[in-house]
Amino acid sequence: DAKTTQPNSMESNEEEPVHLPCNHSTISGTDYIHWYRQLPSQGPEYVIHGLTSNVNNRMASLAIAEDRKSSTLILHRATLRDAAVYYCILRSNNNDMRFGAGTRLTVKP
Amino acid sequence: GAVVSQHPSRVICKSGTSVKIECRSLDFQATTMFWYRQFPKQSLMLMATSNEGSKATYEQGVEKDKFLINHASLTLSTLTVTSAHPEDSSFYICSARVNGIFGYFGPGTRLTVL
Repeated sequence: DAKTTQPNSMESNEEEPVHLPCNHSTISGTDYIHWYRQLPSQGPEYVIHGLTSNVNNRMASLAIAEDRKSSTLILHRATLRDAAVYYCILRSNNNDMRFGAGTRLTVKP
Repeated sequence: GAVVSQHPSRVICKSGTSVKIECRSLDFQATTMFWYRQFPKQSLMLMATSNEGSKATYEQGVEKDKFLINHASLTLSTLTVTSAHPEDSSFYICSARVNGIFGYFGPGTRLTVL
């Protein structure tokens, strides 16, 4: 299965943009890139997903490299409620999703 | 968005007993549900894939006789931890696939085995 690599942790100041990187150099042509986030003792929450083109929704933006070997989740204005573990996941053809270690985002007031 | 519920949210049991965890899709039909396990400060680990009306597919290293999965309807999958031991204490999370695109996750069930 294609794997993802993310920094263990990142810090951000409140109301500033946050760029969370993800490397997936072994991605296959049919893998979708998904981002989820998880608060303590809760199930993962869907953030955004994409295949080739950049995507925007009310929560975040997803920038996908032209070669698809990396992507960046962009939170335009971080709030304290955005503090969570963010997972970058590749969804394979059989549709299961396998989680990596994720990035723990800390937002400072 | 689609909602997935789990019951119970928290359970404490004695070693040697069995515990059943339910995962329900509340406003959609899920032909496929996934079960994950998460130990403290670790990521989610996929345990098994459950398809409605057929046997579950277990990941390598997951004992199918210990973690019984039943997906008898399009809105309900159950995970039964049989003869639970303290090392089975974990956070169990289910996920349901919708329209074959992406999964919605339940809120999780915290199992503590004494």
